[in-house]
This record gives sequence, structure tokens and C-alpha cells, in this order.
Amino acid sequence: GQQLNQSPQSMFIQEGEDVSMNCTSSSIFNTWLWYKQDPGEGPVLLIALYKAGELTSNGRLTAQFGITRKDSFLNISASIPSDVGIYFCAGQPPNTGNQFYFGTGTSLTVIP
Amino acid sequence: NAGVTQTPKFQVLKTGQSMTLQCAQDMNHEYMSWYRQDPGMGLRLIHYSVGAGITDQGEVPNGYNVSRSTTEDFPLRLLSAAPSQTSVYFCASSLGPQPYEQYFGPGTRLTVT
Repeated sequence: GQQLNQSPQSMFIQEGEDVSMNCTSSSIFNTWLWYKQDPGEGPVLLIALYKAGELTSNGRLTAQFGITRKDSFLNISASIPSDVGIYFCAGQPPNTGNQFYFGTGTSLTVIP
Repeated sequence: NAGVTQTPKFQVLKTGQSMTLQCAQDMNHEYMSWYRQDPGMGLRLIHYSVGAGITDQGEVPNGYNVSRSTTEDFPLRLLSAAPSQTSVYFCASSLGPQPYEQYFGPGTRLTVT
């Protein structure tokens, strides 16, 4: 299957700091998605990206679809305690119907 | 709307036992999928369905069967459980292919001893 490398694996930051994480692939994707998962819950979609170079914001979150179509970035500004969770990227390769491949996740801890 | 519901929430099986994980959605979504989540591996697609009566294999289908007799339900069957199937299983649904959003259920934590 597709390999999605997500980094960093974990982050410990102070409340108020900005956060950056990224996802890279060995092949091109048509769609990039970013999810957040709280403990014991299913993932919840944060941002969806559909075009190379696209930059999309959702409140304090901003994500970009890399120009090479092989990477994506998620930034969180001014982190707050409720940002704690695991963040996953997911990508959809061309010609695969509804199949998405997920990254291994970035665990975020925000210290008040 | 209840959204996507999954039962049971937890299950322990012995090697060789069979069981069915239930998934239902009340949003009239055509697309439904099953994923497994293992530590350090992210979510991997097991099987998916693009409508009642239509199913297809995902990335890791071996050891699992699915069927889709109604729009609402998409059960996942483990024919002969193995310890390698110990995982958290998530069901998801969406109105259609992208750009429609996938909604995930709360998950079933399965342990096979």
C-alpha cells in the first residue's frame, strides 16, 4: 500500500505556541485530508484540500496542499489545551475511487 | 441523527472464534468503509462499499468479509479470529466519493487471545 510519512511523531508544547506538522508521500495524491482524534473516539475531519498549492484555514488551523502533490502541512496557531489529541493526515491517490491512505499520526500535548 | 454507530464497543475473542462487528448509519450515506487502527500504523482500509449490494476490498482485506444488504448497515465479519486481528476497528460513511466528508463511528476495540 501507499506509504505516508507523518512527522513529528509527537509534540509537547506550551499553551499559546504555534504547531507545525507535515505529511509526505512517495507518490502523488489528488486529495489531502487532516483529521483529529480524541482518546476513545473516531477521527473528525478538520480540513480538506483538493488542489496542488491550495491553502485552507479552519479557525486557528491552516493546511496546505504541497505543490508537488506529494506533501501536505498543518499549522495550529496559538495552541490551547483542547488541541490535545492525535492528528492524522490522509491522502487519496489518483484512480482509486474512495480509497484513502492514512499517516501514522502526530500526538500533540499542550502544557497549560 | 445518531450518525455512525458501532457495536460492540469492546470484544475479546479466542483464536479461531468468529464474530460480526456491526456498523449502522442513519444519514442515508451511500459510501461506507471499515478501517483498522494499530499502534504506529495509522488507519488502514479493510473493505468498502459504494452502495447497497456493492462491496470492494481495501488495503488489508484478508480474514474479513463484508456485505451490504441495506444502505444503513455494513457489518464486518471475522471468519476465524487470529491474534494479528487485535486492533481498533472504525466504520465510516460518506454521502459519496470526495469531496464528501467521511464520518467515523466511535470504534470497536477487539482483542484476540
